[in-house]
Amino acid sequence: EPEVTQTPSHQVTQMGQEVILRCVPISNHLYFYWYRQILGQKVEFLVSFYNNEISEKSEIFDDQFSVERPDGSNFTLKIRSTKLEDSAMYFCASNPTKGGIGEKLFFGSGTQLSVL
Amino acid sequence: AQKITQTQPGMFVQEKEAVTLDCTYDTSDPSYGLFWYKQPSSGEMIFLIYQGSYDQQNATEGRYSLNFQKARKSANLVISASQLGDSAMYFCAMRSYNQGGKLIFGQGTELSVKP
Repeated sequence: EPEVTQTPSHQVTQMGQEVILRCVPISNHLYFYWYRQILGQKVEFLVSFYNNEISEKSEIFDDQFSVERPDGSNFTLKIRSTKLEDSAMYFCASNPTKGGIGEKLFFGSGTQLSVL
Repeated sequence: AQKITQTQPGMFVQEKEAVTLDCTYDTSDPSYGLFWYKQPSSGEMIFLIYQGSYDQQNATEGRYSLNFQKARKSANLVISASQLGDSAMYFCAMRSYNQGGKLIFGQGTELSVKP
């Protein structure tokens, strides 16, 4: 089965630093998502992206966050100035179309971000 | 607003027995889909099973079945013949047509299978 690929698997950074989390969605997919999961908590929606623009974002996705699809294959999440509370597992997901309700999201394996 | 509730933070089951993980949901959308994902300790999200709001029959996928009770707004996951490898976190999730396609998750249930 095709896979969503995320790099790196682990990222350690100092508070206040910028980080970029990278994802390669499945090649024919058009809708992309970022989710995060703070340790021991539920998976939370951050942002959805289609046609090179944000479709929807949650209240978590503030001005410190941005997303980009720079080259038609990668999909990135940038956190400009990391805070301790940004420590979490970040999942990228993709879909071939917009939320046909029966379509499962294809998730990557996640990037564990640790902010020190 | 949509909401998914999993009221069992942790569950234990004996190997080879069946276990039911509870999930209730709330939505005003008539068209929605319900999903279960498994998250082992390695962290990845593994799709298990899907049920559509208009599906007449309960979904089944191998040892997994979904007990869908639409009037009660519940979508419980039943795992038959539990295996040690079933020990993981299990998340119920929902997607509805009018909510932009995003998946929203419940809090999860940690299942431990005892030998």
